[in-house]
Amino acid sequence: EVQLVESGGGLVQPGGSLRLSCAASGFTFSSYEMNWVRQAPGKGLEWVSYISSSGSTIYYADSVKGRFTISRDNAKNSLYLQMNSLRAEDTAVYYCARHACAGRICAFDIWGQGTMVTVSS
Amino acid sequence: DIQLTQSPSFLSASVGDRVTITCRASQGISSYLAWYQQKPGKAPKLLIYAASTLQSGVPSRFSGSGSGTEFTLTISSLQPEDFATYYCQQLNSYPRSFGQGTKLEIK
Repeated sequence: EVQLVESGGGLVQPGGSLRLSCAASGFTFSSYEMNWVRQAPGKGLEWVSYISSSGSTIYYADSVKGRFTISRDNAKNSLYLQMNSLRAEDTAVYYCARHACAGRICAFDIWGQGTMVTVSS
Repeated sequence: DIQLTQSPSFLSASVGDRVTITCRASQGISSYLAWYQQKPGKAPKLLIYAASTLQSGVPSRFSGSGSGTEFTLTISSLQPEDFATYYCQQLNSYPRSFGQGTKLEIK
């Protein structure tokens, strides 16, 4: 079964750090680009970051640039999001999502169940 | 950055109704648009990609159309399991923006 499972969420104080993980199974992880998407409580979806299959190309939303770092370990079938200098507005459910493309036709076709990050004192 | 605006933000309808949700892009995105369905407490689910291609396993009552800056998601005959929030997303460029969502509620 194709699956993504996030972990690492929790309660952290403003200014603190947290590292999220996403474990992939059921597909060849190293062949797929990946993303992080977040959803604040009661709000819509916000794209956070992208990483290419090799890890050589990375993009970030302006709201997290300079504070968050996306990475992957293809040998471990895992995606990561290192979050530093956390703010209250980073409070959200964080999803990892597989970025499936056929040429330029792309979509986020597989999503994890999400992990909750709460930034509060 | 490309902004996506969905309308309406809220929609009340009955089982069996035909409903249409619109997504407008702030600049042309060709057909690089996807639609997702999200139910409370669950992850989003891909419904349609490339503006009009149905994802495998998605019922045929869902359809998408459009190109450039205006897109629509249509549900031909609402079923009880279709009451959810729907999001469009552009995949033309980064950041990969989403629309603000359309919450479809039971009338």
